[in-house]
Amino acid sequence: DAGITQSPRHKVTETGTPVTLRCHQTENHRYMYWYRQDPGHGLRLIHYSYGVKDTDKGEVSDGYSVSRSKTEDFLLTLESATSSQTSVYFCAIGAGGGTDTQYFGPGTRLTVL
Amino acid sequence: QKEVEQNSGPLSVPEGAIASLNCTYSDRGSQSFFWYRQYSGKSPELIMSIYSNGDKEDGRFTAQLNKASQYVSLLIRDSQPSDSATYLCAVNNAAGNKLTFGGGTRVLVKP
Repeated sequence: DAGITQSPRHKVTETGTPVTLRCHQTENHRYMYWYRQDPGHGLRLIHYSYGVKDTDKGEVSDGYSVSRSKTEDFLLTLESATSSQTSVYFCAIGAGGGTDTQYFGPGTRLTVL
Repeated sequence: QKEVEQNSGPLSVPEGAIASLNCTYSDRGSQSFFWYRQYSGKSPELIMSIYSNGDKEDGRFTAQLNKASQYVSLLIRDSQPSDSATYLCAVNNAAGNKLTFGGGTRVLVKP
């Protein structure tokens, strides 16, 4: 998985609780991304980062926040989890540039009861 | 209209045959195109990238790009049961910093 780890790999939580997912890379890539994957919707971009403390929204950012204090770590936070946020979350990294390729982490399966 | 469209399948292919997957996209400014393979319960894995019109071959895989018609395709020759997976088409935006994914085509290779 191109030097990308995600933690936790599985999590079950209750509605209204805060949840933080972590993505860690050892490739020193500039770009990091958070996606969610749901049946019928495919992969959708939540947020991405183009450098330390530089982040931007994707197409499904409502209810999510991110932070990147170090090149290697990108955190995704659900401030108050809802059942609609039950999904598989993938982190991806990319070196940047017009021909950028993204490499994916192993994913986190989140269930919100 | 979705920005990147794929037939969801399943595409059923006999072992040893050619599987042909198609993808159309709407952003004429896109310059980079990718095919990912995703096995059930696993993360997407890059198998091909293509940036110029024409064909690009890598082993049993051939990617074809036609920017004028805004489509990209993937051919899998000598299909094997291990090729059974969902294949995701991804297209970069003009700025080169985000990918938009199609919904994926599920391929089933039958022995």
